[in-house]
Amino acid sequence: DQQVKQNSPSLSVQEGRISILNCDYTNSMFDYFLWYKKYPAEGPTFLISISSIKDKNEDGRFTVFLNKSAKHLSLHIVPSQPGDSAVYFCAASARAGNNRKLIWGLGTSLAVNP
Amino acid sequence: NAGVTQTPKFQVLKTGQSMTLQCAQDMNHNSMYWYRQDPGMGLRLIYYSASEGTTDKGEVPNGYNVSRLNKREFSLRLESAAPSQTSVYFCASSKIGGGLGGTVNEQFFGPGTRLTVL
Repeated sequence: DQQVKQNSPSLSVQEGRISILNCDYTNSMFDYFLWYKKYPAEGPTFLISISSIKDKNEDGRFTVFLNKSAKHLSLHIVPSQPGDSAVYFCAASARAGNNRKLIWGLGTSLAVNP
Repeated sequence: NAGVTQTPKFQVLKTGQSMTLQCAQDMNHNSMYWYRQDPGMGLRLIYYSASEGTTDKGEVPNGYNVSRLNKREFSLRLESAAPSQTSVYFCASSKIGGGLGGTVNEQFFGPGTRLTVL
């Protein structure tokens, strides 16, 4: 039972265009969301995050949008560059007692073509 | 600043053998984590250590043990390896993992250990 779903396993985009990666979640207790990027043979690296009290967070070419009523978030990359080609993971965080749990999606593989 | 380092990078074991995966971080982070990543399964938390001296089970702890040796080091041990433990293992650390404040801090990952159990 996937609580965090990335329904598109892969996405191909032309260099310079917008990449939109989507993520849906089912647990309304999630209150913080993170996007990670992963290159082959490397560990994931943090990209951008958003708290559930916001609906948008921007960092350079990367913007994350959160629609709480739809339990949906998306990562926009504008303009896309070949170096953005990687697997992108969406992760959601919720309190679990005195700690927090982080649940990961399965990832979307982005290919940016020159 | 090396960040999070993991050894070894690759390992092949026979069923029933034991081994320890090592992880160290030099960022003075409080919390450390062990994940496994399998095809089609995303990242799943095996164990974590919210602070030095404490360890807790994650989503898939069976067949593993951990030791938080000090603030820097967090090791993962397979006592009797099974083919189902063939995976890529990632260690991560964060400044604060949770706790009473509930603060969410980004996790920094090591490069991973690719383990094959025959």
